[in-house]
Amino acid sequence: EAQVTQNPRYLITVTGKKLTVTCSQNMNHEYMSWYRQDPGLGLRQIYYSMNVEVTDKGDVPEGYKVSRKEKRNFPLILESPSPNQTSLYFCASSFSGVSLNTEAFFGQGTRLTVV
Amino acid sequence: GIQVEQSPPDLILQEGANSTLRCNFSDSVNNLQWFHQNPWGQLINLFYIPSGTKQNGRLSATTVATERYSLLYISSSQTTDSGVYFCAPRTKGSSNTGKLIFGQGTTLQVKP
Repeated sequence: EAQVTQNPRYLITVTGKKLTVTCSQNMNHEYMSWYRQDPGLGLRQIYYSMNVEVTDKGDVPEGYKVSRKEKRNFPLILESPSPNQTSLYFCASSFSGVSLNTEAFFGQGTRLTVV
Repeated sequence: GIQVEQSPPDLILQEGANSTLRCNFSDSVNNLQWFHQNPWGQLINLFYIPSGTKQNGRLSATTVATERYSLLYISSSQTTDSGVYFCAPRTKGSSNTGKLIFGQGTTLQVKP
């Protein structure tokens, strides 16, 4: 089954404790990205990757890191999480980022709470 | 950048009723998707519809790109249709970042 898989689904952590949210897709998509969703602010792009070893900042990159060493994986890293990073996170992928005529697929979401 | 407006913001239906959700956008788009966010937070792909009309069971969608709007029709609504519906277009400006521009959503509650 074609899918985008995120782990974990739920996470409660403490301020300053490094964490990684994994994202993997099995559709051979070139493009992957991360969004966060907050009440009243909607979904905002954090980082994106046009292809392996190519990553760039989205609209709200502060406090996050990403890497794209393999085509299928795009982990989101919080080096020193803070309470303002409490949010619902989504990983997404599509065949291409440059071509606009491609459908995006989203992971199940990761609900992160930083205390 | 492009502005995406969805209406109505909130909608309460009795099970079995029909409804139409609207998405207006302020600029020309190259593609548009509709999503359903269920009560567990998952984003479910409903339609990829840059133009024209598509149907999937009780749901159908129409995008009129020249007039800058898209409609999502829900017929014979069920309680499982409850949740938030988002439209998300991509514009030429998205070719730099690939991002979808999400509207604020329509929150639908279907009562038994």
